[in-house]
Amino acid sequence: SAVISQKPSRDICQRGTSLTIQCQVDSQVTMMFWYRQQPGQSLTLIATANQGSEATYESGFVIDKFPISRPNLTFSTLTVSNMSPEDSSIYLCSVEVGTGNEQYFGPGTRLTVT
Amino acid sequence: QQQVKQSPQSLIVQKGGISIINCAYENTAFDYFPWYQQFPGKGPALLIAIRPDVSEKKEGRFTISFNKSAKQFSLHIMDSQPGDSATYFCAARGWSNFGNEKLTFGTGTRLTIIP
Repeated sequence: SAVISQKPSRDICQRGTSLTIQCQVDSQVTMMFWYRQQPGQSLTLIATANQGSEATYESGFVIDKFPISRPNLTFSTLTVSNMSPEDSSIYLCSVEVGTGNEQYFGPGTRLTVT
Repeated sequence: QQQVKQSPQSLIVQKGGISIINCAYENTAFDYFPWYQQFPGKGPALLIAIRPDVSEKKEGRFTISFNKSAKQFSLHIMDSQPGDSATYFCAARGWSNFGNEKLTFGTGTRLTIIP
């Protein structure tokens, strides 16, 4: 498995501002993922971030809105830009480890946009 | 075709009973089927997973049953305990348009175990 931490754990932000979420893993991993989970809802993949390459975004998510950095094998950031109340959600970092390709999730960042 | 349908949306089971959550999929390219358990305010935790070449996998009180021909799989929790009260998500692994693997999640089941 993997131990994943996220910062901040929660934040309340004003409309029009940006927030950068950090994800730190206790071991080197190739693949990292960012998900969004709206309250009481399922998880939706935002993008996949592999070290050394550009992040790839799922349909409905764009780099200008959710820029991602992946500077090394243990760290990634997701920025939520020009926020609106519709961006209020839980943002989750996930990593793939092991030969079985298991995905493990961080504790999430709960974002409220006012 | 990328959807995973999960039922029921909510489930109440008495302590000691069997909890059963079902999922169905359409995409035959899915090759890995994990279940996640999520407590309020926490990230999802990997519970158990199965590959389509196996019909059943058991870990402790948790069992996955997999029916490849019906494209269905289910989670069984034996001797359900109040500590099992959580939201459960099934998922299926496929591939995105970019060639990256991608987990598609079901809509979740809120399980409540009553004494």
